[in-house]
Amino acid sequence: DAGITQSPRHKVTETGTPVTLRCHQTENHRYMYWYRQDPGHGLRLIHYSYGVKDTDKGEVSDGYSVSRSKTEDFLLTLESATSSQTSVYFCAISAEAETQYFGPGTRLLVL
Amino acid sequence: RKEVEQDPGPFNVPEGATVAFNCTYSNSASQSFFWYRQDCRKEPKLLMSVYSSGNEDGRFTAQLNRASQYISLLIRDSKLSDSATYLCVVNRRSYIPTFGRGTSLIVHP
Repeated sequence: DAGITQSPRHKVTETGTPVTLRCHQTENHRYMYWYRQDPGHGLRLIHYSYGVKDTDKGEVSDGYSVSRSKTEDFLLTLESATSSQTSVYFCAISAEAETQYFGPGTRLLVL
Repeated sequence: RKEVEQDPGPFNVPEGATVAFNCTYSNSASQSFFWYRQDCRKEPKLLMSVYSSGNEDGRFTAQLNRASQYISLLIRDSKLSDSATYLCVVNRRSYIPTFGRGTSLIVHP
């Protein structure tokens, strides 16, 4: 299995609070992605990175920001969490922007 | 039209059956194709790539039809452990793969 971890694995937070999710890889892959997965919507891309300090928006980026200061870490921040951001968040990595390897996911509940 | 479409199912089949899923894509510039498997409450995992000439991996066969813009996954001799959601993925030589919403397979005794 690819070396990719996510933290925390579960989080409960309140509306209006900031939340940061971390994705860490040991594969030295160039590309990293954040997705959310909700019933009826499948996997939706939030943000992605194609190198250190190089990031771009996906299809559902509103309310989220990301940072990648090192190859191995990709952070997803919810500046002010809302109940609509309750979801399962997956990080993925890819060496060549083709096959992706996913982390175990973070279950976020915003009350 | 969605960029990648799959029949959500569920496909409910007995053990030993053969089952096939299709996935259609709208962008003719799509270059590479994959099938992923996702178990309940787990992350998606790569099942197999799909090559132009078709390819097999044990009981699984993947095919690509560029003219009709679809890929297929055939599972022979279904096992209980094959129960999962199968996601198709299409790449357009960008950084961003596009995922279908998945097809649910339930294999029963």
